[in-house]
Amino acid sequence: EIVLTQSPGTLSLSPGESATLSCRASQSVTSSYLAWYQQKPGQAPRLLIYGASSRATDIPDRFSGSGSGSDFTLTINRLEPEDSAVYYCQQYGSSPLTFGGGTKVEIK
Amino acid sequence: QLQLQESGPGLVKSSETLSLTCTVSGGSITMSSSYWGWIRQPPGKGLEWIGSLYYSGTTYYNPFPTSRASLSVDRSKNQFSLTLSSVTAADTAIYYCARSDLGFLRFFDHWGQGILVTVSS
Repeated sequence: EIVLTQSPGTLSLSPGESATLSCRASQSVTSSYLAWYQQKPGQAPRLLIYGASSRATDIPDRFSGSGSGSDFTLTINRLEPEDSAVYYCQQYGSSPLTFGGGTKVEIK
Repeated sequence: QLQLQESGPGLVKSSETLSLTCTVSGGSITMSSSYWGWIRQPPGKGLEWIGSLYYSGTTYYNPFPTSRASLSVDRSKNQFSLTLSSVTAADTAIYYCARSDLGFLRFFDHWGQGILVTVSS
């Protein structure tokens, strides 16, 4: 199975700053089939990005994804307090579907 | 608007079988491109895909966490279900049902709110 490693474990940033989250795969992800989710406490994950760089419906353009092969990045510009959450990447290029361990973003 | 809702017991005894149901509303479970999945999350930990199914009954499983899972669909009730046999404390988790579009090898665009299942000894 493809193992996804996310870094850093925690990011602590101030409102207005930018966050850069990394997701590294143990092998190349087919066709950049990589998604990102946001999960707030007590809530289900919410799809942010699919296909490595396509925003899901109603996701603000402050969120952007990039990368290919085995290295992917989620960037959150102009951080807002509501962005405080855990972010997970998921690959869907091969079975089994796998998720990264998550990056927690804290807003100071 | 498509909505999913998990239901089932919140407490299961060790070695017994866990059974959960996901009720789909706002759309038919037989939508031609929709696949229906289960994902779990142990408390304070990450997400783990258990398996997915198509309304025809075709199933896809993740062999790595467990081979004890079984998925089924009830089209008449617009529901699909998960059973997990011989549970242990390691199966304690929030269980989510979710939808993927255009195949099981996809991302999940609609999620249920999740149900916490605790396995007790």
